[in-house]
Amino acid sequence: AQTVTQSQPEMSVQEAETVTLSCTYDTSESDYYLFWYKQPPSRQMILVIRQEAYKQQNATENRFSVNFQKAAKSFSLKISDSQLGDAAMYFCAYPRYNNDMRFGAGTRLTVKP
Amino acid sequence: DAMVIQNPRYQVTQFGKPVTLSCSQTLNHNVMYWYQQKSSQAPKLLFHYYDKDFNNEADTPDNFQSRRPNTSFCFLDIRSPGLGDAAMYLCATSRDASRYEQYFGPGTRLTVT
Repeated sequence: AQTVTQSQPEMSVQEAETVTLSCTYDTSESDYYLFWYKQPPSRQMILVIRQEAYKQQNATENRFSVNFQKAAKSFSLKISDSQLGDAAMYFCAYPRYNNDMRFGAGTRLTVKP
Repeated sequence: DAMVIQNPRYQVTQFGKPVTLSCSQTLNHNVMYWYQQKSSQAPKLLFHYYDKDFNNEADTPDNFQSRRPNTSFCFLDIRSPGLGDAAMYLCATSRDASRYEQYFGPGTRLTVT
């Protein structure tokens, strides 16, 4: 089975602080991609960051970075210097071989001013 | 800007009255997807087209149909909407198969009265 698990339904962070969202996944494949998507309230889902499994280096996009632990099948998202605009639902996603993007249940992030 | 466009953004239909949602893309992507997303849940894939090849998810109700008359457009037809079909419907595209990130439209929120 290829599943994605996000164990934190809700998270909260103070503005300018750092927060980490957790994701674990299950796969028998050795070469794959992983994604984090952001869905702000009433706005469209956008890609935050992408990780290729064969790359050992963790992906980074400005204030967003991942901690990819392939052996542990863990893919967490770290948001540094949190901003009010970071408030959203965050989905971890695994694209299967047959075009089926498997999403986790999502983590709702609240940013407190 | 290249994008995924969904019309209408909000649709109200009556119980049992057929409704069609539309999606268009200027990205020239091969694959187009339709997802159903209920409140605070992950998107659920209904079906996708790889070019003209239609792929239905096993648990997608027969009530849902899709058409892709050309590369740019894809339609979701709900033949007899029930109250349980009220949801956000997301269209997405990807450049090619499986490993590529998906680009999402803003969604159509369907209300069934």
